[in-house]
Amino acid sequence: EDQVTQSPEALRLQEGESSSLNCSYTVSGLRGLFWYRQDPGKGPEFLFTLYSAGEEKEKERLKATLTKKESFLHITAPKPEDSATYLCAVQDSDYKLSFGAGTTVTVRA
Amino acid sequence: DADVTQTPRNRITKTGKRIMLECSQTKGHDRMYWYRQDPGLGLRLIYYSFDVKDINKGEISDGYSVSRQAQAKFSLSLESAIPNQTALYFCATSDLLRNYGYTFGSGTRLTVV
Repeated sequence: EDQVTQSPEALRLQEGESSSLNCSYTVSGLRGLFWYRQDPGKGPEFLFTLYSAGEEKEKERLKATLTKKESFLHITAPKPEDSATYLCAVQDSDYKLSFGAGTTVTVRA
Repeated sequence: DADVTQTPRNRITKTGKRIMLECSQTKGHDRMYWYRQDPGLGLRLIYYSFDVKDINKGEISDGYSVSRQAQAKFSLSLESAIPNQTALYFCATSDLLRNYGYTFGSGTRLTVV
């Protein structure tokens, strides 16, 4: 069974204070690892897809990296608008996604 | 208009009532999914459908049923609602050929009292 574990559960940052979120996973036949952003009361919004170890993707202040066992989402110099829950998901050989419980990031001005 | 539309957005129902949540999409995707989200547990798959004639159970299908009325419509029913089905429900779609993950609706917040 596919498993995704995200840490920490919650992260409180000062504006400008860079940090990283972790996503460790086990999956049979990884087709892709996905990062989503979710704002309160809304559906998850796609951020990145990573397909193989060593791959990196960037979007504004966010950078996602992938190894064979885990992925990191780095937030560089965060702003209050980066406050959200960040979800990690792995896609298996049947194209189904299994999600982690998420990391809730709060950035204070 | 949103790519994936869920109705209703909020619903309060009584224990034992039958309730249907609806999802429609304009993405043209073949694959559709129903998830529920509970605090601390993340998103868990209830049912999924790869096309109109293909329906599959997810990890938590007990107490739920689905109907794929058309490529664009996928509804979730709670046959006899119970309080522990109180959750946020999401519909999602995906395109096998363009693997951008899932596109989610805005969710239905269901409360069973």
